[in-house]
Amino acid sequence: QPVLTQSSSASASLGSSVKLTCTLSSGHSSYIIAWHQQQPGKAPRYLMKLEGSGSYNKGSGVPDRFSGSSSGADRYLTISNLQSEDEADYYCETWDSNTRVFGGGTKLTVL
Amino acid sequence: QVQLVQSGAEVKKPGASVKVSCKASGYTFTSYGISWVRQAPGQGLEWMGWISAYNGNTNYAQKLQGRVTMTTDTSTSTAYMELRSLRSDDTAVYYCARLTAMVADYWGQGTLVTVSS
Repeated sequence: QPVLTQSSSASASLGSSVKLTCTLSSGHSSYIIAWHQQQPGKAPRYLMKLEGSGSYNKGSGVPDRFSGSSSGADRYLTISNLQSEDEADYYCETWDSNTRVFGGGTKLTVL
Repeated sequence: QVQLVQSGAEVKKPGASVKVSCKASGYTFTSYGISWVRQAPGQGLEWMGWISAYNGNTNYAQKLQGRVTMTTDTSTSTAYMELRSLRSDDTAVYYCARLTAMVADYWGQGTLVTVSS
């Protein structure tokens, strides 16, 4: 089954940009993933579906500041013009016919 | 608008069972699946399984096989997750999420289940 690897933490300044990475395990580099945001004390929120081609589809109401891209087994979430409310945990998720898996999550701190 | 509203917090003793509900509105319930995910205190997200609201087919995480059952009631657009033989490490917030072409695109608000003697 696929495994997703994420850095445990990241930080960036208010108004700047940050690029978070989710890496698919060997043999699974073509997999589609989803990115989810979890603000402190809240339920996760779906951000986007991201394909290996780099094509992405965002969820309802997700700001334009959020975008996705891909390179090989890496899936990226870029947040531009960081706002204080972007301080959250970000999880990637993937699936196959038998299972679904989440990455360990990246805690983003906005300085 | 799509909404998933879950049942309230539960406190259970070790060995007991819990059944969490997830009531859907704002879409055609039987056209989508429901995924169940849990999050232990201070930890990440853990997938538990999913159910097709169309035909009731299920797929459970291997580590929970034999202890978890997911069902749906199409007459009330409600999904259920029952977990048996509860242990202290089952203490977590339990979430349901709608699956659109396998993508979890809407989440419930979460249900805290506390297992304690």
